[in-house]
Amino acid sequence: EDKVVQSPLSLVVHEGDTVTLNCSYEVTNFRSLLWYKQEKKAPTFLFMLTSSGIEKKSGRLSSILDKKELFSILNITATQTGDSAVYLCAVEPLRGSTLGRLYFGRGTQLTVWP
Amino acid sequence: ETGVTQSPTHLIKTRGQQVTLRCSSQSGHNTVSWYQQALGQGPQFIFQYYREEENGRGNFPPRFSGLQFPNYSSELNVNALELDDSALYLCASSLVADTQYFGPGTRLTVL
Repeated sequence: EDKVVQSPLSLVVHEGDTVTLNCSYEVTNFRSLLWYKQEKKAPTFLFMLTSSGIEKKSGRLSSILDKKELFSILNITATQTGDSAVYLCAVEPLRGSTLGRLYFGRGTQLTVWP
Repeated sequence: ETGVTQSPTHLIKTRGQQVTLRCSSQSGHNTVSWYQQALGQGPQFIFQYYREEENGRGNFPPRFSGLQFPNYSSELNVNALELDDSALYLCASSLVADTQYFGPGTRLTVL
């Protein structure tokens, strides 16, 4: 069974702090790695990474993938209370029968205090 | 807002009953995937439908079944409900093998 492991499972910080969330996976041949933010119910799409070493950025959020070491990180700078959410990492394997199937980690619960 | 809608929002059933959950995909998307998310866990893949055909299935028993309609909306049916079926059920729509966008989910409680 393919495995995606996120760490830490929970994190509490104060506004203005910078956080790094980790995602490691055991899928050796995959099409993409995705990050989602889940506040109440619907996971909302943040990034899709397919190439190693290329950073994706959106405002205060950025993410990078290391295909050799099989991990990805999500950075959030100058955190705000609105960043409080569960951050999910998912991997899509590149195998014919599983194309389109996402394997998720358990998520990191981020709490930002004012 | 992703344009993916799900109904109902919440549902309470008792063991042994049957339930149908519905999903309307984002305009232009032809693929719907269903996931089960238990409390404190990441979503688990149930199955995917592409152009009205099942296109992959996760490790769920046959009492979990689905349909996709010509307008690409979809249903998830669960028969003989068990307590462990209590979860948030998410659907995601996409073009085939493209980024999946999630709906708000249906919270199912089985008593």
